[in-house]
Amino acid sequence: GNSVTQMEGPVTLSEEAFLTINCTYTATGYPSLFWYVQYPGEGLQLLLKATKADDKGSNKGFEATYRKETTSFHLEKGSVQVSDSAVYFCALFRGNQFYFGTGTSLTVIP
Amino acid sequence: DAGVTQSPTHLIKTRGQQVTLRCSPKSGHDTVSWYQQALGQGPQFIFQYYEEEERQRGNFPDRFSGHQFPNYSSELNVNALLLGDSALYLCASSPASDYGYTFGSGTRLTVV
Repeated sequence: GNSVTQMEGPVTLSEEAFLTINCTYTATGYPSLFWYVQYPGEGLQLLLKATKADDKGSNKGFEATYRKETTSFHLEKGSVQVSDSAVYFCALFRGNQFYFGTGTSLTVIP
Repeated sequence: DAGVTQSPTHLIKTRGQQVTLRCSPKSGHDTVSWYQQALGQGPQFIFQYYEEEERQRGNFPDRFSGHQFPNYSSELNVNALLLGDSALYLCASSPASDYGYTFGSGTRLTVV
């Protein structure tokens, strides 16, 4: 079946620290992979995506590389800001639907 | 350009009642999907509508039903509400040609 496993939180970092949120997946075939962000009281916003192996998605300083050999799509950012505090969801898209991880809550303190 | 619009934003219902949630897709999008996000969890796929038909369904009971109208807007209906139906319900729209999905801000349903 299709599923996503992501690093459990919560994660608390100081401003300007390096961020990694791990994500691994199980899927039939070759899915597309996504990171979504959810701010308090809001819906999901697309952060970045990758559609095939070795693709790197990037946006707003966040990056993730589609690694087929390790079935992973880890999210990274070199220097987090207070405004990055949110819940981050890793997801795969297969068969007209998304399969989401359980989310990782990130809090960045000044 | 308006994105996906959902209404209402919040509502409270009593166990056993029925509820209808509404979604207007982003302009140019003709496919609508619904997701349920329980507190502290990732969204779970309920179903997808295209050309006014349910195209695909997730692992949800028949109490969950939907409809898509000729203008592509959609409704999600839940009958015989249970406490466990309390969640954020997200609507996502996309063009049929690809998976450029846009999510709405959701409807927060509380069942008491």
